Amino acid sequence: AQKVTQAQTEISVVEKEDVTLDCVYETRDTTYYLFWYKQPPSGELVFLIRRNSFDEQNEISGRYSWNFQKSTSSFNFTITASQVVDSAVYFCALSEVNSGNTPLVFGKGTRLSVIA
Amino acid sequence: EAGVVQSPRYKIIEKKQPVAFWCNPISGHNTLYWYLQNLGQGPELLIRYENEEAVDDSQLPKDRFSAERLKGVDSTLKIQPAELGDSAVYLCASSLEGTSTDTQYFGPGTRLTVL
Repeated sequence: AQKVTQAQTEISVVEKEDVTLDCVYETRDTTYYLFWYKQPPSGELVFLIRRNSFDEQNEISGRYSWNFQKSTSSFNFTITASQVVDSAVYFCALSEVNSGNTPLVFGKGTRLSVIA
Repeated sequence: EAGVVQSPRYKIIEKKQPVAFWCNPISGHNTLYWYLQNLGQGPELLIRYENEEAVDDSQLPKDRFSAERLKGVDSTLKIQPAELGDSAVYLCASSLEGTSTDTQYFGPGTRLTVL
């Protein structure tokens, strides 16, 4: 069965520090998609990135970057030069493809607090 | 383009009372999802609709929960009667199609408190 583990429950950093949020996943499927969502205090989950299992290239979007490594089943998320507005709960999620339309499975989230 | 709309944002009721949540997905999105998010947890799927058909409701507690999407657009999730353990955030999401590759876009959620 698919599973997503976000071992860091809470992280606190000072503004302008870099921070990495870890995500480890389990799946028996050879084809799957990984996602990151941000949930600010307002409650809405904001989509950040989607990555398929055949694309191991790292991705950078502004201050955000993602490191996908199939060898370690990890999809880590780094925020460079963190800002107070980055404070939120971040969720990693997994969706299998070949196992049918399985639900999107989320980790428990990592609460990031960026202190000014 | 408007995102997923949910109402109400907050609801406080006493146990054994009924409650209903409403969701309007992004225009043109065929698939609609209802999720339950308990405190400190990630969202968990309750039900998935493709147009007006519920294609995955295996996680919906059918003794007290019901949902409908009559015209394949907006949807209502109902709890009757509510129990203390139902206190949580109820999230609605939509996607263009219902495949595993599709990105789901979420609404702000309804925070339910059952007293």
